[in-house]
Amino acid sequence: AQSVTQPDIHITVSEGASLELRCNYSYGATPYLFWYVQSPGQGLQLLLKYFSGDTLVQGIKGFEAEFKRSQSSFNLRKPSVHWSDAAEYFCAVGADNYGQNFVFGPGTRLSVLP
Amino acid sequence: DVKVTQSSRYLVKRTGEKVFLECVQDMDHENMFWYRQDPGLGLRLIYFSYDVKMKEKGDIPEGYSVSREKKERFSLILESASTNQTSMYLCASSSVGQGVYGYTFGSGTRLTVV
Repeated sequence: AQSVTQPDIHITVSEGASLELRCNYSYGATPYLFWYVQSPGQGLQLLLKYFSGDTLVQGIKGFEAEFKRSQSSFNLRKPSVHWSDAAEYFCAVGADNYGQNFVFGPGTRLSVLP
Repeated sequence: DVKVTQSSRYLVKRTGEKVFLECVQDMDHENMFWYRQDPGLGLRLIYFSYDVKMKEKGDIPEGYSVSREKKERFSLILESASTNQTSMYLCASSSVGQGVYGYTFGSGTRLTVV
């Protein structure tokens, strides 16, 4: 079975600074990988996904993520953070195309200083 | 725009009440899910359904039941609400054969049991 870790529970960055949120997964094959964002009191919104091809994927809101097979990682990045990016971010792993059995990481809460 | 709609954003119920949380999706998805989200515990799967009248227990099914009489609707039932079921409840859906697109989430229902 697959598993996901997000080593950072809480990260604080200043507005305009760059951001990297870490995600490591455990799975025997190439998984389906996702990043979701959750604003306070809201549901989860898909930021981006990877399942094959170019290992650098672009998402919404100016986010990108890079799949590194050798490190079993799928880190999320943004070159310049905006105050509205303050939210909780979840990495998720899917093992197949049935759309079931996704595993979500514990989440990283991002705070943005003005 | 495709949607997963949860009927209530906020609910306050009394201990011992039978509580129904409703979720409707308009994407013709086969899979539907109920999660609860608590601070520090991430997303925990309560139940999921892969077809009408079909259901599978998730990680924390105790105290909950579900109903899926129509493809678009998945209900979570708290048979006798208790204060430890105070939480944020998230519904999600996905398509079999399109796991690459991930889950689509509703906006969540924040339930308080008093």
